[in-house]
Amino acid sequence: NAGVTQTPKFQVLKTGQSMTLQCAQDMNHNSMYWYRQDPGMGLRLIYYSASEGTTDKGEVPNGYNVSRLNKREFSLRLESAAPSQTSVYFCASREGSSGRNEQFFGPGTRLTVL
Amino acid sequence: AQRVTQPEKLLSVFKGAPVELKCNYSYSGSPELFWYVQYSRQRLQLLLRHISRESIKGFTADLNKGETSFHLKKPFAQEEDSAMYYCALRPRDDKIIFGKGTRLHILP
Repeated sequence: NAGVTQTPKFQVLKTGQSMTLQCAQDMNHNSMYWYRQDPGMGLRLIYYSASEGTTDKGEVPNGYNVSRLNKREFSLRLESAAPSQTSVYFCASREGSSGRNEQFFGPGTRLTVL
Repeated sequence: AQRVTQPEKLLSVFKGAPVELKCNYSYSGSPELFWYVQYSRQRLQLLLRHISRESIKGFTADLNKGETSFHLKKPFAQEEDSAMYYCALRPRDDKIIFGKGTRLHILP
């Protein structure tokens, strides 16, 4: 099993450009998450999805949209990138709300917005 | 508001000395709490969770509801413990929030 995979690993954008970060998991997990990691700010939850077809805002959703395409995939879209969105983005998955189980994380995407 | 506070950004400890990484949370209900660790160039991974009352790599953490704390402790630090440590809170179903993290640096 590959676990949680993310593409791309690195990306440089200009202000105003758009892009989609892809995340997939092969563990048949119900819940998926997007976080951003910034120095001194830790991990902040952007959006999460409890199950296919549902999404909810986290702590810092502004400037982002998400799509839970199917059970495996959860994408994060930046419609008009801003320098403040320069960060490392992590996707995570978890079996589901019924169990008290851990999150599994992807390797991260390092995004720089110029 | 639901919040996780890790007051120390950086903690430097000599090898063999005790370690305590502090975590306080804000939540009115019954929380589920975790410690995650990120070693250099590796993914975040679960270290331990409060409901398991387990000891992983010599680390333990006890939930203190009165003080709303979930501090991570280890009696004797090892060099391989150097990493970034995050405390996390699951206030309800699927939302999981993290603290800002503490970088643990073990001095030789």
